[in-house]
Amino acid sequence: DGGITQSPKYLFRKEGQNVTLSCEQNLNHDAMYWYRQDPGQGLRLIYYSQIVNDFQKGDIAEGYSVSREKKESFPLTVTSAQKNPTAFYLCASSIVADSRQPQHFGDGTRLSIL
Amino acid sequence: AQKITQTQPGMFVQEKEAVTLDCTYDTSDQSYGLFWYKQPSSGEMIFLIYQGSYDEQNATEGRYSLNFQKARKSANLVISASQLGDSAMYFCAMREGSPTDKLIFGTGTRLQVFP
Repeated sequence: DGGITQSPKYLFRKEGQNVTLSCEQNLNHDAMYWYRQDPGQGLRLIYYSQIVNDFQKGDIAEGYSVSREKKESFPLTVTSAQKNPTAFYLCASSIVADSRQPQHFGDGTRLSIL
Repeated sequence: AQKITQTQPGMFVQEKEAVTLDCTYDTSDQSYGLFWYKQPSSGEMIFLIYQGSYDEQNATEGRYSLNFQKARKSANLVISASQLGDSAMYFCAMREGSPTDKLIFGTGTRLQVFP
């Protein structure tokens, strides 16, 4: 079955450490997104990419970095510069140039500080 | 700027009854799309239903339907014949146009279905 796989499900970060969240999709979608969700809130966009080797900052990109070397993969690195990384992170993908199509989401990664 | 407002932090409904979850939006675009997602306690976001601004009919998908009132800028989700498995967070979202195509989310409504 096609879908989006995020790993790990739970992740713990020590002070000063960078951690990378994995996102892989086999839906053949061009666009991929990273969202952050804080308790009791909706999702906010961190980064997005509509084509391989290109990505753009979203609304809350500070302290995060991404790469898009393959169409299927869009990993997110939470750097030590992100002072409040504890949150639920969701990766999504969609077809470009068809606004009627929904974004499909992975199961998410919960990141906590040790 | 586009904005989604969900004013009901929590709703309760008895099993087999219908429930309406409110969503209002603000946009200056003439063409836009509205989505509803369900988020169970496990965390995944499940797409439920879509309404396009130019769609003449209200969208329906099984037990889900949209009460779309364009002039009032509202897109309320109606769940008929509620089931215990419907207990979850529900988010209304609007798709921003080019270049990001990102989704702008409301703060969500927590629905609890009781027997």
